[in-house]
Amino acid sequence: DAGITQSPRHKVTETGTPVTLRCHQTENHRYMYWYRQDPGHGLRLIHYSYGVKDTDKGEVSDGYSVSRSKTEDFLLTLESATSSQTSVYFCAIRAIGTANTEAFFGQGTRLTVV
Amino acid sequence: QQQVKQSPQSLIVQKGGISIINCAYENTAFDYFPWYQQFPGKGPALLIAIRPDVSEKKEGRFTISFNKSAKQFSLHIMDSQPGDSATYFCAASKEGAQKLVFGQGTRLTINP
Repeated sequence: DAGITQSPRHKVTETGTPVTLRCHQTENHRYMYWYRQDPGHGLRLIHYSYGVKDTDKGEVSDGYSVSRSKTEDFLLTLESATSSQTSVYFCAIRAIGTANTEAFFGQGTRLTVV
Repeated sequence: QQQVKQSPQSLIVQKGGISIINCAYENTAFDYFPWYQQFPGKGPALLIAIRPDVSEKKEGRFTISFNKSAKQFSLHIMDSQPGDSATYFCAASKEGAQKLVFGQGTRLTINP
């Protein structure tokens, strides 16, 4: 497995509370991504990073923020969790060079907002 | 904005049969088309990928067929086995692009 660790693996939180998910990589890849997976929607990109302190929005970024202060860590924060953010969250890393390359995914974080 | 459309959403195939999953894309600039396989409780992992300079790529029992004019590509799993039961995602990207766009996923079940 590629060196990607997501934490926590499972979390239950209450509506309105802030939540932070962590993605840690040991591959030194430049690009890191946060996706959410929901039935019928596949994998939807929330935010991504193309370097330290360089981030951009994906297709479902509302209600989420990210930070990347080190190459190896990419944090996803739900500012005020809502039930619609109950999902499985995946972090991915990718080395993009002269040719499109494989994305490596973490094991996922199952988040339940009650 | 769904740039890659995948079908069917779920598929049941008998052991030994052929599983076929289809994807259609809109952006003609896409030039990299991977398929990912995901087992329950795991993250997706790359299965096979194709570039538009070829119409077919085969790796073992898995084959990607690519139709550039129709903007469609499909995954064929020959001699399907119960161990192939998983969720499959198609995806697309263009050279050097930062984002990989995924289809909605297909939950494949192979009955013994």
